Parts: sequence; C-alpha cells; structure tokens
Amino acid sequence: EAQVTQNPRYLITVTGKKLTVTCSQNMNHEYMSWYRQDPGLGLRQIYYSMNVEVTDKGDVPEGYKVSRKEKRNFPLILESPSPNQTSLYFCASSLSTGGLYEQYFGPGTRLTVT
Amino acid sequence: GNSVTQMEGPVTLSEEAFLTINCTYTATGYPSLFWYVQYPGEGLQLLLKATKADDKGSNKGFEATYRKETTSFHLEKGSVQVSDSAVYFCALSDYNQGGKLIFGQGTELSVKP
Repeated sequence: EAQVTQNPRYLITVTGKKLTVTCSQNMNHEYMSWYRQDPGLGLRQIYYSMNVEVTDKGDVPEGYKVSRKEKRNFPLILESPSPNQTSLYFCASSLSTGGLYEQYFGPGTRLTVT
Repeated sequence: GNSVTQMEGPVTLSEEAFLTINCTYTATGYPSLFWYVQYPGEGLQLLLKATKADDKGSNKGFEATYRKETTSFHLEKGSVQVSDSAVYFCALSDYNQGGKLIFGQGTELSVKP
C-alpha cells in the first residue's frame, strides 16, 4: 500500500530536550516536505527536499532541522524544542516538484512542548 | 506573495443540503488549485484539483471551477452526507515556487442527520 508514515503519532516533551520525528514514504517520490498545522493558520511549510541531499527552507524554518540521506526518509529534528513549537506536524511527499503533482500526507504527529 | 483565503467555519448543514465553501486566491503567476480534505484524526487527502483557468475539478460529488477572472475556486456539493463531515482546505501551488502548497486556514464542515 502506498503511504507516508510518521512516528511518533503523539509526543509530549519538555523545553530543550532534543527530539526527532521520522517520516518515510514507499512511493519512490522525489519531493518531500514538512508542514505544521495551527488553528486559524492552516498548514505552513517548514522545510522541503527536492531529492536526496537537497533540502531548503520553507516559510517557518526557525527552530527546525531536516536531512535527506535516503530517498524514502525525511526526518524532522527539533534541537531545542520550545512551547511555541507545540503543533500538529505533517510530512508529505509527491512524485516531483512543480505545482501539478498530488502531495500525499502522513497521518500527523501531535507534539506538545511544556 | 501568494495567498489563499477561505470562508470561516464551522459550517453546519443537514444531510442532503447544498454545500458551498468559498475560496479566493492571490497569485503572481499561474497557479494550480487544490481542495484537500482532512477527516478526524487523519492526514490530508487530495479531493480535487484544477491546473488552468476554466478547468473544473470533480470527485465524490464535489466540484470546483478555476475562475481566473474572480480568482476563485469555490467548492460545491449538491447533497452532503454525514460522512462528508471533515475539515476542507483550499490550496494553491505555483510551478515557479516548486512544490510548495499554500493553504487557506481550513473550513470545518459538520453534517447532521
């Protein structure tokens, strides 16, 4: 089954404790992206990757890191989480870049930073 | 810059009622337009899309027409069901900005039996 998986689905942590949210897709997609969803703001892009070893900032990259060492995986790293990073996070992938391709979303990771 | 504005929710309808969710956009180029749906506890799924002016996207009884003259992409369904209860997101993607989706704030739809 074609899918995007994220882990963990729920995470409660404390300020400053490094964490990683994993994302994996099995569709051989080139393009992967991370979004955060906040009430009243819709989804905003954090980082994206056009292919292995190619990553770039989205609209809200502060406080986040990413890496793309393999085509299927695109982890999101919070080196020192803060309460304003409490949010619902989605990983997405698509066949390629450009505006024409459907993006497939993972189920989401709900992060709470206290 | 590019942006998307949706009508505010929540929208509450009775089963079999007509649905319209308004969406307007601002874009400097020639964007593709999308409607994504998010069912409770799940990620977003593509509902329909249109890639050029006057295109009509349709799926599962939902329709939306890309109107360049009014910069709109309103979502419509003739007869909603309880199973349509979800959050609906209008989005655009500009080829010149890679694969980034720019989302509206989402509109929650609740359909009562």
